[in-house]
Amino acid sequence: NAGVTQTPKFQVLKTGQSMTLQCAQDMNHEYMSWYRQDPGMGLRLIHYSVGAGITDQGEVPNGYNVSRSTTEDFPLRLLSAAPSQTSVYFCASSHTARGQLYGYTFGSGTRLTVV
Amino acid sequence: AQKVTQAQTEISVVEKEDVTLDCVYETRDTTYYLFWYKQPPSGELVFLIRRNSFDEQNEISGRYSWNFQKSTSSFNFTITASQVVDSAVYFCALSGYSGGGADGLTFGKGTHLIIQP
Repeated sequence: NAGVTQTPKFQVLKTGQSMTLQCAQDMNHEYMSWYRQDPGMGLRLIHYSVGAGITDQGEVPNGYNVSRSTTEDFPLRLLSAAPSQTSVYFCASSHTARGQLYGYTFGSGTRLTVV
Repeated sequence: AQKVTQAQTEISVVEKEDVTLDCVYETRDTTYYLFWYKQPPSGELVFLIRRNSFDEQNEISGRYSWNFQKSTSSFNFTITASQVVDSAVYFCALSGYSGGGADGLTFGKGTHLIIQP
């Protein structure tokens, strides 16, 4: 099925460990982005990309790295996990057509717990 | 910097009542897009509507309607004849759009809508 696929769905990390959250889309969308959702905070933008090889920081980028080597994939790396990074992470993608930006399609999320 | 404010943290109504969810935004971008998303208890994010900054036409889709007023920087969402299945958290979001492309979504904190039978 076409869409945005996130893996894993659940993860428990120890403080200081590193890991990569995977995000892949098969819709040939140029725009991809990562968000974290915390209770009472809504969703906050971590990093985004406007195309392969181009990334930029969002509102809360500290402690996270991204790269975009292909159109399809946009992995999020936690360099040294901290309890403050316990959250639900969402990846999203979108595209433009006829000069119009379309709605973002979201993955099902990754629930990360750092102990 | 962009900002989206959803002042209503939680709204509770009885089924069949009409309910309006408020959204106010701030941006310096000339071109931008506004969105509404629904997040049911299962946790997924469901796209409802997008509107660009040059299109102030109101939109109706079944029981849902949206009112975009650029003069007051608002993009409100009304559900007519609410149903229990409408119970969810609703998010308003904004994306700037320039020559460099879209810069990701800035979300409000969400409104938890409870429809009581």
